[in-house]
Amino acid sequence: NAGVMQNPRHLVRRRGQEARLRCSPMKGHSHVYWYRQLPEEGLKFMVYLQKENIIDESGMPKERFSAEFPKEGPSILRIQQVVRGDSAAYFCASSPTGPSQFFGPGTRLTVL
Amino acid sequence: DAKTTQPTSMDCAEGRAANLPCNHSTISGNEYVYWYRQIHSQGPQYIIHGLKNNETNEMASLIITEDRKSSTLILPHATLRDTAVYYCIVRVVEYGNKLVFGAGTILRVKS
Repeated sequence: NAGVMQNPRHLVRRRGQEARLRCSPMKGHSHVYWYRQLPEEGLKFMVYLQKENIIDESGMPKERFSAEFPKEGPSILRIQQVVRGDSAAYFCASSPTGPSQFFGPGTRLTVL
Repeated sequence: DAKTTQPTSMDCAEGRAANLPCNHSTISGNEYVYWYRQIHSQGPQYIIHGLKNNETNEMASLIITEDRKSSTLILPHATLRDTAVYYCIVRVVEYGNKLVFGAGTILRVKS
């Protein structure tokens, strides 16, 4: 059973471009969480999704950030018009019906 | 979720037991104690969780005091690969309950 997959692992964008981060949960997992880790800081919750629904987006910045988890395919975290402050590691976690979350390897976004 | 307090850092000799403490004096009756770790630049890894009984799995043991105000994560035979940041998280177990990470304890295992 493959673990949580995230791609790309490293992403470089120039200021003003869009970043799209993908997360494929573990097989059978229908809950997806996104967390962000800024340099030298702790992990912060961003958003929780179930298939086709955003359940909790209390940690998402109000502008430029969006997330989706379609019926088919991976969950996508989209950052529009990236700025240098968006440079961070973005981690996705998935869970089955239970509460334990299993994390992917992360996507490291660098904004030039 | 209740607040937790952990030491900033700890050292442990390779092959010895690593005992990582966590204080959670305001824990509620329905809150579990979870432990995760993050090895440098990797995604957090689930270790163990418990409510009030001591728990053991292939990675570690979790000892929770009778009053549940503190707990200790024990890595019985630490190796260099156990060097990581260890997070103690107290949370209600329910769907969609996000993990709230503190600063954690930096454990350095030395040869």
